[in-house]
Amino acid sequence: DADVTQTPRNRITKTGKRIMLECSQTKGHDRMYWYRQDPGLGLRLIYYSFDVKDINKGEISDGYSVSRQAQAKFSLSLESAIPNQTALYFCATSDPQVYNEQFFGPGTRLTVL
Amino acid sequence: AQTVTQSQPEMSVQEAETVTLSCTYDTSESNYYLFWYKQPPSRQMILVIRQEAYKQQNATENRFSVNFQKAAKSFSLKISDSQLGDTAMYFCAFMNRDDKIIFGKGTRLHILP
Repeated sequence: DADVTQTPRNRITKTGKRIMLECSQTKGHDRMYWYRQDPGLGLRLIYYSFDVKDINKGEISDGYSVSRQAQAKFSLSLESAIPNQTALYFCATSDPQVYNEQFFGPGTRLTVL
Repeated sequence: AQTVTQSQPEMSVQEAETVTLSCTYDTSESNYYLFWYKQPPSRQMILVIRQEAYKQQNATENRFSVNFQKAAKSFSLKISDSQLGDTAMYFCAFMNRDDKIIFGKGTRLHILP
């Protein structure tokens, strides 16, 4: 089984809808991240969490919110989706004791019509 | 602010050739990590190689090696004996003391048969 899972893998929605992307991990890592990937722009950090009680904004947090329900779960919400939020979204985890490597989920392709 | 620049948006090489992908970064920190990630068409983010800034020796992983020039803030990836399976998007990434990764915009590499 994959160590970092994301649901759904693909989603098409309409402008104005509320969307939640979920991330679960079995690696036991405290640190979790949400990234957005757009063609030609690489990956950009949306939010990150270093433990259950710690939530921080990243480079592009406007229009997004997150919830860290447990060490293993970190959800990303779009309260009112808009077309320019169409992108590939990645969740990642890391353990600073292990070379700071980040482990990525398989990604969620979100399309907002 | 730290930045990561990949100056080659796209490259093509023949199978079995050697190819070098360029990456430069900007930081005022002395301790940090550098990474190359591979993203094949499956869109999974795969760590190819990592380098700790305090280590002078260049990292090597099988056919993949880096040329780390700390003073020049350069971190290039060399792929030897390239294979069709190396076709992917490659991202250079920088991690600072805050454990946040900054990605370059990527280089799309095509290995031609």
